[in-house]
Amino acid sequence: AQKVTQAQTEISVVEKEDVTLDCVYETRDTTYYLFWYKQPPSGELVFLIRRNSFDEQNEISGRYSWNFQKSTSSFNFTITASQVVDSAVYFCALSAITGNQFYFGTGTSLTVIP
Amino acid sequence: EPEVTQTPSHQVTQMGQEVILRCVPISNHLYFYWYRQILGQKVEFLVSFYNNEISEKSEIFDDQFSVERPDGSNFTLKIRSTKLEDSAMYFCASIKVAGALQETQYFGPGTRLLVL
Repeated sequence: AQKVTQAQTEISVVEKEDVTLDCVYETRDTTYYLFWYKQPPSGELVFLIRRNSFDEQNEISGRYSWNFQKSTSSFNFTITASQVVDSAVYFCALSAITGNQFYFGTGTSLTVIP
Repeated sequence: EPEVTQTPSHQVTQMGQEVILRCVPISNHLYFYWYRQILGQKVEFLVSFYNNEISEKSEIFDDQFSVERPDGSNFTLKIRSTKLEDSAMYFCASIKVAGALQETQYFGPGTRLLVL
């Protein structure tokens, strides 16, 4: 069975602070994909990153960085120097190669206070 | 950049009415999905569709739901007799090839359905 847990329901930070959003996943598949999506108040799902299970390299994209650790089944997302525009709900998702449907976590609502 | 589109963006309907949500997946994509998100909750898988048939469906996708690809571009989700609990955001997604190493599901902007 596939499962994604985002234990942090809501986080508030002051602008320019760094913030890390946690994601822990469960799967029995050896090949799988992990994703992060951003959902702003307008409701659409904005793709942020995809990582496959064979690639444990961390990735940095501007102020965003991701830490994938297979040993702890975690795929955490860090925003450096947060901005008000980062306020949104962030979803972590898992897709196993066999099924391809996405299993979403419950999301973390991030509020960046100016 | 190609994108998935959905119409309408908002739909209000009376309980018991039929609704059809429309999606236009990215043109060279072959696998299509519907998800729903009840307000404040997580995104849940409904159904996947490939080669003109359902390939997988969740427990949510009961006999009230159906999907169709009536032509070469549209992918529709029909709810035959809406219930109050069908109120949600419905997302369509598509993928080029299932099982490939470098694939992302591209989501449409969603249709917000409100059943009164």
